[in-house]
Amino acid sequence: QVQLQESGPGLVKPSQTLSLACAVSGASISSGNYYWTWIRQPAGKGLEWIGRISTSGSTNYNPSLKSRVTISVDTSRNQFALQLTSVTAADTAVYYCARYMIASRTFDPWGQGTLVTVSS
Amino acid sequence: QSALTQPASVSGSPGQSITLSCTGTSSDVGNYNYVSWYQHHPGKAPKLMIHDVSNRPSGVSDRFSGSKSGNTASLTISGLQAEDEADYYCSSYTSSSIWVFGGGTKLTVL
Repeated sequence: QVQLQESGPGLVKPSQTLSLACAVSGASISSGNYYWTWIRQPAGKGLEWIGRISTSGSTNYNPSLKSRVTISVDTSRNQFALQLTSVTAADTAVYYCARYMIASRTFDPWGQGTLVTVSS
Repeated sequence: QSALTQPASVSGSPGQSITLSCTGTSSDVGNYNYVSWYQHHPGKAPKLMIHDVSNRPSGVSDRFSGSKSGNTASLTISGLQAEDEADYYCSSYTSSSIWVFGGGTKLTVL
């Protein structure tokens, strides 16, 4: 059974960089027809797709965040990471990692999510 | 404002059938059969319920079904049960090669 678990600081200061990791268990992050994905949900708002990285390392980002986002993979730890630079209060959200299954075009499974608050 | 429009809340009594809607545009829902639905109980990981508009993953109850007409996708839950009370989100692939989600619908079982 594949499981994902987000980790990282729950509080980030404005203008700094938000860094999160997603540990994958039950599957190898470097194989299979998958994309590894980050999604977020600001309080009281809907979900927003942030971006994804393929098993070959190619990335695709939401144009609204593209200039500030980097998604990377650490195969030695079987995890992938999100970096979001120059954060503001608008980046306060619950951040989810998820596996995107190319064959079925679905996000499955998801992590439980981690709340990141941007505040001084 | 979310890319896909969902009603904020829907309610129903046990045993009833309810339908949740998800309205997009010709650039997403209307142009691709890549609509998925996710059930989210707060504090837990969202769970895939429907993919490719109407396909149900193994392990998901056949009380859940999906459909699409034009730019609007729908999730129908029949024989409503207390455990179905949750937030439901739709998602779609788009012509911009990104995925978009709805704002979510809070389902209350009365």
